[in-house]
Amino acid sequence: DIQMTQSPSTVSASVGDRVTITCRASESLNNWLAWYQQKPGKAPKLLIYKASTLESGVPSRFSGSGSGTEFTLTISSLQDDDFATYYCQQYNSYFFTFGPGTKVDIK
Amino acid sequence: EVQLVESGGGLVQPGGSLRLSCTVSGFTFSNYWMSWVRQAPGKGLEWVANIKEDGNKKNYVDSVKGRFTISRDNAKKSLYLQMNSLRAEDTAVYYCVREDSFSGDWGADYWGQGTLVSVSP
Repeated sequence: DIQMTQSPSTVSASVGDRVTITCRASESLNNWLAWYQQKPGKAPKLLIYKASTLESGVPSRFSGSGSGTEFTLTISSLQDDDFATYYCQQYNSYFFTFGPGTKVDIK
Repeated sequence: EVQLVESGGGLVQPGGSLRLSCTVSGFTFSNYWMSWVRQAPGKGLEWVANIKEDGNKKNYVDSVKGRFTISRDNAKKSLYLQMNSLRAEDTAVYYCVREDSFSGDWGADYWGQGTLVSVSP
């Protein structure tokens, strides 16, 4: 099975900061990678699919990049609404593994 | 409007069984792969199982293989998760999830509100 890791596990940042989260897979994903945002007590929300395609309605300050086994989620200018936990998920195999998550909290 | 509504969660003793249901509306259910994803208290997301549009292909995370069964009834627009031999570590909120297989883009684009399963003596 494909294993997923994320770094860092927590990032402390301020409004306006640029935030970058990295997701690594144990084998190539052929860009079948998605990113989600989750706030406490809520269901996750799809942000990006196919590594770099922004889901409809998601602000353009979110972007995804990468290929193969290493991917990045970038928030270009952090807003109050962005403090949350972020997960990557692979779709290259039918066992849709999630990464362990990265919490973005207030510095 | 797309909606996914889970039901069937609750408190069960170790070794017991529960059947979760998810009823959907607002889209053509039979066109999409569906998944169950769970989240233990204070922990991350864990994909549990998925099922192909016609129900003929199913996949499970290793920790539930042989104990959980995913199924669907396209006529009733419903997804199910039969959970047997439940363990304390199965305690979690279980989400019903639509996978955007129809467009070919994939990604879990719609989620239910979740139903809590608690396994405890």
